[in-house]
Amino acid sequence: NAGVMQNPRHLVRRRGQEARLRCSPMKGHSHVYWYRQLPEEGLKFMVYLQKENIIDESGMPKERFSAEFPKEGPSILRIQQVVRGDSAAYFCASSPGGRDEQYFGPGTRLTVT
Amino acid sequence: SQQGEEDPQALSIQEGENATMNCSYKTSINNLQWYRQNSGRGLVHLILIRSNEREKHSGRLRVTLDTSKKSSSLLITASRAADTASYFCATDARNQFYFGTGTSLTVIP
Repeated sequence: NAGVMQNPRHLVRRRGQEARLRCSPMKGHSHVYWYRQLPEEGLKFMVYLQKENIIDESGMPKERFSAEFPKEGPSILRIQQVVRGDSAAYFCASSPGGRDEQYFGPGTRLTVT
Repeated sequence: SQQGEEDPQALSIQEGENATMNCSYKTSINNLQWYRQNSGRGLVHLILIRSNEREKHSGRLRVTLDTSKKSSSLLITASRAADTASYFCATDARNQFYFGTGTSLTVIP
């Protein structure tokens, strides 16, 4: 059973470009969480999704950030018009249920130049 | 905020010694989890303790939870160099988990 997969592992974007981060949950998991980790800081919750639904997006910046988890395919975290402050590691986690252990992917390291 | 806070921020011990790190949080929780993160890697789930549990063991790990003090501790016994990593506690509040800034553990061979 493959673990949580994220791609790309590293992404470099210039200011103003769009960044798309993908997360494939573990097989059988229908809950996906996105976290951001700034250098030297802990993880910050961004958004919690189930298939085709956003359950909680209270940690998402109001502008430029969006997330989806379609019926088919991976979950996507999309950042439009990236700025240098968006440079961080973005982790995705999945779980079979909302209160279960979360299994984390290796993360995508976004660098905005 | 609900965020868990780990203490100490950094800890350095000799191989074979025990390592203890603590986590405090602010509001009622359903469960508390501990994770490990090796440098540059994703997080690995270590152990989950529910709010009605006081202690839990997993191999060389021992976790305690004191809901009256809103705190938890993670004890790693007989530490190994491979235990060198950052350790995070995560508290469950409604639909989301809150992570602290972590304890950086260095085990010196």
